[in-house]
Amino acid sequence: QSALTQPPSASGSPGQSVTISCTGTSSDVGDYNYVSWYQLHPGKGPKLMIYEVTKRPSGVPDRFSGSKSGNTASLTVSGLQADDEADYYCSSYAGSNNLVFGGGTKLTVL
Amino acid sequence: QVHLVESGGGVVQPGGSLRLSCAASGITLSTNGMHWVRQAPGRGLEWVAFFRDSGGNKYYADSVKGRFTIAKDSSKNTLYLQMSSLRSEDTAVYYCGITNYDFWSCYEWGQGTLVTVSS
Repeated sequence: QSALTQPPSASGSPGQSVTISCTGTSSDVGDYNYVSWYQLHPGKGPKLMIYEVTKRPSGVPDRFSGSKSGNTASLTVSGLQADDEADYYCSSYAGSNNLVFGGGTKLTVL
Repeated sequence: QVHLVESGGGVVQPGGSLRLSCAASGITLSTNGMHWVRQAPGRGLEWVAFFRDSGGNKYYADSVKGRFTIAKDSSKNTLYLQMSSLRSEDTAVYYCGITNYDFWSCYEWGQGTLVTVSS
């Protein structure tokens, strides 16, 4: 199973919005509404930010939102804050009880 | 509050074996699915294995199939990853995660344990 495609980096100034894309295929992102997004800070475990494409777990600010169109899912972070600086990974169910991750995007808050 | 703690990582020679543990507190591991995911140095996250449910259904990434075994001991509230025939490319931080909303997103993760395969 091939990894999902994410841009290696993204950036924005405090208060701005940034969108990170996650491109898969019709066998994963395009076929299932099981896209998740994780935030990863160095030395810590992943933190779930979005599940099932658009849903936010309790405690995640509504500045984080998810969407999907065709084979591409997106994570938008609005009102950027300094502690949003982290690596972000998407994942998708890929059928046959397999899970696939994206390569990760390093978000820099300028 | 749910808390997961991985342990068992270390340095092992190529071809060797290692067992990772993921101890859970704040929750009784029953119907939740649980995953192992790893991150090699300088690389992205990679899914490794999935313990689906009380029926004992288990699934693996092609890269570890036949070499790794995921298991759960409900009496100890612990998930395991038995790793054998280890290769240098298995060097990574290994994280365990637990599902809740669906089987394909983990709402809680441990801090990870480092496995280094080197002679």
